Amino acid sequence: DVKVTQSSRYLVKRTGEKVFLECVQDMDHENMFWYRQDPGLGLRLIYFSYDVKMKEKGDIPEGYSVSREKKERFSLILESASTNQTSMYLCASGSSEQYFGPGTRLTVT
Amino acid sequence: KNEVEQSPQNLTAQEGEFITINCSYSVGISALHWLQQHPGGGIVSLFMLSSGKKKHGRLIATINIQEKHSSLHITASHPRDSAVYICAVRYNYGGSQGNLIFGKGTKLSVKP
Repeated sequence: DVKVTQSSRYLVKRTGEKVFLECVQDMDHENMFWYRQDPGLGLRLIYFSYDVKMKEKGDIPEGYSVSREKKERFSLILESASTNQTSMYLCASGSSEQYFGPGTRLTVT
Repeated sequence: KNEVEQSPQNLTAQEGEFITINCSYSVGISALHWLQQHPGGGIVSLFMLSSGKKKHGRLIATINIQEKHSSLHITASHPRDSAVYICAVRYNYGGSQGNLIFGKGTKLSVKP
């Protein structure tokens, strides 16, 4: 079974803090994705990566950056967290079919 | 902007009822996905379709390419089917691999 894991299920941070969300997949997938999910808006793509050290902006990259130093690991970074980044963050990997992690519910106070 | 529209947004059914969730999209696609998200967040892929029909247990997914429309049916619904069902498409346009466009989801609640 494909496994996509995320470093935290719940996270509470203060405004201005730097936040790291990590995602690890065990299926040697080249493509990895970070989404955020908000009520009434559905899933929106923040960034994706199709290879180690490669990244591309999705639909809403502002306020975020990513890092992919190893194939299995894709990190989402909030350089200076803000309250409007309170959301559910979902990582996925795969190409024709995507496999999702359990999600991280981030609250920024 | 290419969009994915789902209907209904919310659906309440009695156990045993036949359920249909609809998805429409605007331009040509290479694939359509149906996903299920249970409370707590985890998303599971149910189907990936590019044409025709697929069946898995009590779930059936159909797609009509000409009409740019897909339906997800649940036969003999059960309370454990309660979840959010999400339609996602991959459009036929040049660009980076693997991007999906998601509908806003249909929240299904099946009462015993």
